[in-house]
Amino acid sequence: GESVGLHLPTLSVQEGDNSIINCAYSNSASDYFIWYKQESGKGPQFIIDIRSNMDKRQGQRVTVLLNKTVKHLSLQIAATQPGDSAVYFCAENKASSASKIIFGSGTRLSIRP
Amino acid sequence: NAGVMQNPRHLVRRRGQEARLRCSPMKGHSHVYWYRQLPEEGLKFMVYLQKENIIDESGMPKERFSAEFPKEGPSILRIQQVVRGDSAAYFCASSRKTSGEETQYFGPGTRLLVL
Repeated sequence: GESVGLHLPTLSVQEGDNSIINCAYSNSASDYFIWYKQESGKGPQFIIDIRSNMDKRQGQRVTVLLNKTVKHLSLQIAATQPGDSAVYFCAENKASSASKIIFGSGTRLSIRP
Repeated sequence: NAGVMQNPRHLVRRRGQEARLRCSPMKGHSHVYWYRQLPEEGLKFMVYLQKENIIDESGMPKERFSAEFPKEGPSILRIQQVVRGDSAAYFCASSRKTSGEETQYFGPGTRLLVL
């Protein structure tokens, strides 16, 4: 079936550097995308979202880029900090749909001091 | 404003027993979603409920699993006659209204271990 997937399962980044986490999606009907952060032993935490009528959205230290042509989504974290260590999931939904979010398999981000 | 609450946080059951997982949505939220997560994997949708109604249960196994969200009280995910394959983290999320763009907020999860 259609799913959201990630290019890299793990990512190691030097503290202070920028992190880029990538995601590919295959459902062309999806028009709403979300990034979640999940720390060990906790539930997913909403980071940022983007609709398909946008190609970029910025939050506090995070930026999400959407390329609908190649069905690619990325999360950029500026000046990565130790507290950013977590598993990051991209997820998709249909704005017209009431229900389920489809999650990707996740990328583990680790920070080198 | 308290977030989504789940209990218990950890649950150990022997094969054949029943597991009951509870979820209290955020204040003002009337939509509840249950997801299951296996280690090192993403969350998989199970069921979506509104008060007293199951809206979408397409991700829930047909046997042994049931969910409810009564008019009063928390949402309950019930697993009868648990098997070892049911061991996983079960997350509940809630949202305010019916819209795919409405942010779903997640609880801390219940980690079920079946011995």
